[in-house]
Amino acid sequence: EPEVTQTPSHQVTQMGQEVILRCVPISNHLYFYWYRQILGQKVEFLVSFYNNEISEKSEIFDDQFSVERPDGSNFTLKIRSTKLEDSAMYFCASQTVNQPQHFGDGTRLSIL
Amino acid sequence: KNEVEQSPQNLTAQEGEFITINCSYSVGISALHWLQQHPGGGIVSLFMLSSGKKKHGRLIATINIQEKHSSLHITASHPRDSAVYICAFQKTSYDKVIFGPGTSLSVIP
Repeated sequence: EPEVTQTPSHQVTQMGQEVILRCVPISNHLYFYWYRQILGQKVEFLVSFYNNEISEKSEIFDDQFSVERPDGSNFTLKIRSTKLEDSAMYFCASQTVNQPQHFGDGTRLSIL
Repeated sequence: KNEVEQSPQNLTAQEGEFITINCSYSVGISALHWLQQHPGGGIVSLFMLSSGKKKHGRLIATINIQEKHSSLHITASHPRDSAVYICAFQKTSYDKVIFGPGTSLSVIP
């Protein structure tokens, strides 16, 4: 069965550094999402992306965050200047017609 | 305000027991989801429901749209069922998923 793949599985970064989280959605999917889960909390929506543009973003998704689909297969989340509170598990998801969203295994981001 | 609530928050069961996890939500939805999250962190979709009942192996999910309530049942529970079970919904077909807080299930041999 096709899968959403995310890399890296774990990223450790110094506070203030830029980080890029990568996702390869399922190939025929058209809708893409990023979520995050702070340790011990529920999963929260960050941003949705369709037709090469952001369709919705949450309050969390401020100017430090950006998303891109640079080459028709990858879907990336960039955090420009990381803060301690950005430490979380980040999940990518993709969806097609009449199917549930498929989630990747997540990238654990640790900010030091 | 929590749009999705689950009960119980934590559940410990003996192997073989019948388990029920409940979910209530407060808005109109197009689909309700039950998801499983193992300690490693990955999220797996178990069911997507818009009405009625679905069954997959030992898992059964039901939804009552009028009462805005859904249940996940696990028959003949097994230690490998130990995980966090999350109720979630979408308001429209391609909308973001709104996640509940999860129910942490531990099945003891």
